[in-house]
Amino acid sequence: EVRLVESGGGLVQPGGSLRLSCAASGFTFSSYNMNWVRQAPGKGLEWVSYISNSGSPIYYADSVRGRFTISRDNAKNSLYLQMNSLREEDTAVYYCATMAPSDYWGQGTLVTVSS
Amino acid sequence: QSVLPQPPSASGTPGQRVTISCSGSSSNIGSIYVYWYQQFPGTAPKLLIYGNNQRPSGVPDRFSGSESGTSASLVISGLRSEDEADYYCAAWDESLSAYVFGTGTKVTVL
Repeated sequence: EVRLVESGGGLVQPGGSLRLSCAASGFTFSSYNMNWVRQAPGKGLEWVSYISNSGSPIYYADSVRGRFTISRDNAKNSLYLQMNSLREEDTAVYYCATMAPSDYWGQGTLVTVSS
Repeated sequence: QSVLPQPPSASGTPGQRVTISCSGSSSNIGSIYVYWYQQFPGTAPKLLIYGNNQRPSGVPDRFSGSESGTSASLVISGLRSEDEADYYCAAWDESLSAYVFGTGTKVTVL
């Protein structure tokens, strides 16, 4: 069974940092490009970042470039998102996903940025 | 980051045909395939359409997609109550080197 399990979300003050993790199982993680996608409460989907199966290239949305860093450890079947200088507008559920056509998604982890 | 405009809502009675549009540009929909996702409240999105109107295993054939120039459409033929959900288009934007999502359309079954 394919599983993607995110962790690391929580409440953080503006300007703070969080590191999200995504543990993959049930498929050959090292063969898949990976993404982080977020969804603010009551809002639509927003793509955040992409990393190829080998670790390069990497792409970011303009809204997070310079503040967020995506990485992966294929030996540990894990994907990461280091989030620095967090803003209230970063509050969202963060999903890790392969996206189409393979389309594996995690259940999401909630990040709340608030003082 | 740019987004792909969609109508905020669409509705129909059971059995009706509903069409959702998605507007893009030459750097996304006009140059590469569009994906369509279905999302129920509190759950992760689920892929409905990818590639050239391909459906993943398990997606009913009442869902179909089409593209024309820089626009795309999702058609739900024979609307059912369980189709009440939010629907998003998505595409890779070659000039932005980024995925762009549609603004989302809430489908209501009357």
